[in-house]
Amino acid sequence: EAGVAQSPRYKIIEKRQSVAFWCNPISGHATLYWYQQILGQGPKLLIQFQNNGVVDDSQLPKDRFSAERLKGVDSTLKIQPAKLEDSAVYLCASSFDAYQETQYFGPGTRLLVL
Amino acid sequence: AQSVAQPEDQVNVAEGNPLTVKCTYSVSGNPYLFWYVQYPNRGLQFLLKYITGDNLVKGSYGFEAEFNKSQTSFHLKKPSALVSDSALYFCAVRDYGQNFVFGPGTRLSVLP
Repeated sequence: EAGVAQSPRYKIIEKRQSVAFWCNPISGHATLYWYQQILGQGPKLLIQFQNNGVVDDSQLPKDRFSAERLKGVDSTLKIQPAKLEDSAVYLCASSFDAYQETQYFGPGTRLLVL
Repeated sequence: AQSVAQPEDQVNVAEGNPLTVKCTYSVSGNPYLFWYVQYPNRGLQFLLKYITGDNLVKGSYGFEAEFNKSQTSFHLKKPSALVSDSALYFCAVRDYGQNFVFGPGTRLSVLP
């Protein structure tokens, strides 16, 4: 089966610019996650969707980050405006169910903010 | 709040020797525990998980982990390390209804 797809793989922007990332989960997976992984750290959950509804966005910096999953399938994560500290790898993952199920990760989008 | 600790930033082991990567956790209820591996320039890959049942869990690539409730630990083990096991290993935990929390990671280097 096809894995989790993400694009772009790399992005370089200047601070205060906007950027968007796209994720297509594994077919049939109801739960979708966005993580931020800063170099040398473990992934940090930004937002979790169950179908097209938000389950948890408590760690999402809502003044600049937004995410949507309108049709309950693919999802976009946007940063506007970007700051230097947003430089990180943004990982998308999906799972069949929310709690016990294994998460399958995409390759990530590496963002560099200059 | 839940938390995960991986006390070693780096673990070095000779090829053929047993390896252990340590993980301890803190949750308020019954934990769901996971191990993931990250190879350079690749996404995280699932290794194994503990949900309930037998405390010894077997996973991919010959890895296993033992859930110890009294010590709140979930150490990853392999009887005989391979050079290709060299990677970054993450322990993760969640409590029912709570966030999924990853540890900071442990870099494993297997020396030929």
